[in-house]
Amino acid sequence: DIQMTQSPSSLSAFVGDRVTIACRASQGIRNDLAWYQQKSGKAPKRLIYSASILQDGVPSRFSGSGSGTEFTLTISSLQPEDFATYYCVQHNNYPVTFGGGTKVEIK
Amino acid sequence: EVQLVESGGGLVQPGGSLRLSCAASGFTFSDHFMDWVRQAPGKGLEWVGRPRNKGRSDTTEYATSMKGRVIISRDDSKNSLYLQMNSLKMEDTAVYFCVRVSNSGSYSFDYWGQGTLVSVSS
Repeated sequence: DIQMTQSPSSLSAFVGDRVTIACRASQGIRNDLAWYQQKSGKAPKRLIYSASILQDGVPSRFSGSGSGTEFTLTISSLQPEDFATYYCVQHNNYPVTFGGGTKVEIK
Repeated sequence: EVQLVESGGGLVQPGGSLRLSCAASGFTFSDHFMDWVRQAPGKGLEWVGRPRNKGRSDTTEYATSMKGRVIISRDDSKNSLYLQMNSLKMEDTAVYFCVRVSNSGSYSFDYWGQGTLVSVSS
């Protein structure tokens, strides 16, 4: 199975901060990676797919980059509604595997 | 509008069985892979599996941790996805989400249901 390692597992930041979340795959997955945002008690919402393509309707402060084994999700200016848990997931190979999540909290 | 509605969750004793259903609408069901994803209380997301599409030679794929205890199937005539879980353990307690797999270049999950809670407890 491909292991997806997300870091950090949690972070505290101020509104307006630039935030970066990393995701590392245990083997190359090309750009077969997506990022999801999940708020408490809700289903996850896709933010980014194919590593860097912004989902329709998602604010442009979100961006994704990377290919192969190293990926990042960046929030250029953190907003109050962005406090949530973020997950990466690879769909290059079965089984599909998720990162452990990054909880973004208010400082 | 794409809608995915799960049902069938509830309280079950360890060793028991449960069958979850997902009713899909608002899109051509047979055009998409459909998966199950679960989330234990306070934990991260875990992929459960993906059923064989009718008329295709794809195999049914399962998470390593679920193999042998679950059967995922679909009925394209009913726009429905199913998850049969057997020999349930307390660690199977989770919200189970039905998810649609995008078919436009990326095979990521583009729509999620609201989830159904399965609680395994004596």
